[in-house]
Parts: sequence; C-alpha cells; structure tokens
Amino acid sequence: DTGVSQDPRHKITKRGQNVTFRCDPISEHNRLYWYRQTLGQGPEFLTYFQNEAQLEKSRLLSDRFSAERPKGSFSTLEIQRTEQGDSAMYLCASSFPRFGAGASGNTIYFGEGSWLTVV
Amino acid sequence: GQNIDQPTEMTATEGAIVQINCTYQTSGFNGLFWYQQHAGEAPTFLSYNVLDGLEEKGRFSSFLSRSKGYSYLLLKELQMKDSASYLCAVADGQNFVFGPGTRLSVLP
Repeated sequence: DTGVSQDPRHKITKRGQNVTFRCDPISEHNRLYWYRQTLGQGPEFLTYFQNEAQLEKSRLLSDRFSAERPKGSFSTLEIQRTEQGDSAMYLCASSFPRFGAGASGNTIYFGEGSWLTVV
Repeated sequence: GQNIDQPTEMTATEGAIVQINCTYQTSGFNGLFWYQQHAGEAPTFLSYNVLDGLEEKGRFSSFLSRSKGYSYLLLKELQMKDSASYLCAVADGQNFVFGPGTRLSVLP
C-alpha cells in the first residue's frame, strides 16, 4: 500500500447533478478525514471517521453532503444537487494516532485529491 | 473560536534562508504541523512540533512556542523546487485546523 488513493481525480458535472468521490486510506489507518480546498486557501475540514463511526461534521457540510465509511475501510463523499460553489478540490486524509508515537503517530496523510468542477 | 494566521505570500532568492511565521488560537492543542503543497497537488507532511523549541530536519526547521501561540518554518539553502505553498496546521482535539497557507516564490 503506497498511500491514500482517491477516485476520480477529476470530475466535471452540470449543476444539479449528484457526484460521489471515493477514498481508500492507508490500510492500517483507522481515522479518515475529508477536507475541501479552493484556490489560494488552506484545506477546510468537512468531516472525519474513527473506523466506521462519523464522529464530527463541520457546519460547512450542508444537507446536500453525505459521507459514509460503512466497513471502516474506504469512504465515500456524495454531493447531491451540485452548485457552482461546490467547485473545489476534495481531499481525503488518514491517520493512525498512537500515544507517544510522535510525528508518525499523529500526522495525517493526504491523498492526491479529487477536483470537482460544476458548470 | 479557531484562527490560524500566516502571511499570504513571500518571495526569496535561491540559496537564501526564509522564515514563514504562523500564529494560532485554537480551543485545543495536540501538536502543530507544517505541510508543503505544490500547485495542483496534495499537501505533504514536513514537520511536527508538540513541545516548545526547535525541530531540525535537513534544510527545514520548525519552531514552536505554545505560550505565544506561535510557530515558524525555516527553510535554508533555498532551491527552485521549494516554490510552493506552506500550510500551518494545528491538531485541535481530533481535528486538524489549517491556516490559509503561505505561497513562497523562489527566484533565481
């Protein structure tokens, strides 16, 4: 396993359509995060999972957004009724936090991102 | 609330030293991270500080003062490939909060 993988890498969709992104974390990582990033900005937190449990959701995650991690492995992020303001890069990251493990136990590792363009 | 501030842009010359500052106010603190992000790519981990002081890693060093809510990333012997955005992030409880990033341009 070489890292976090995301699919698709690029998606162009018409306004009003639904899109789904998939993330496969590093295999032993139990935490999985979704972030959104627009040009010139830092990543904005959307939600995160500990195994299959979704433990926190940002207020940025409107009711058009839903994320799942059904078996505690891969995750999907679905956006319904897309709007032009949803155009961004959607980043997935994973980690395996361990007390006393220093950087390796606390760092989150990002996938390549999924670029969404809503036209 | 949560707030992380960094300069928006910086410019430096190849071979020089540059310091990128970060100030933060978060409700929790489990460590401060620096990431590098080239245009169109995902952020990659550079450094981690959880205790006050300086962490050195080759050409990159990162400093933390928890009492001041302050960190900096020091890049030495700048190379053209160091042109990128540098993101300061704080682990606030279970979550990571990112700053807006500092876009560094290295000129020949």
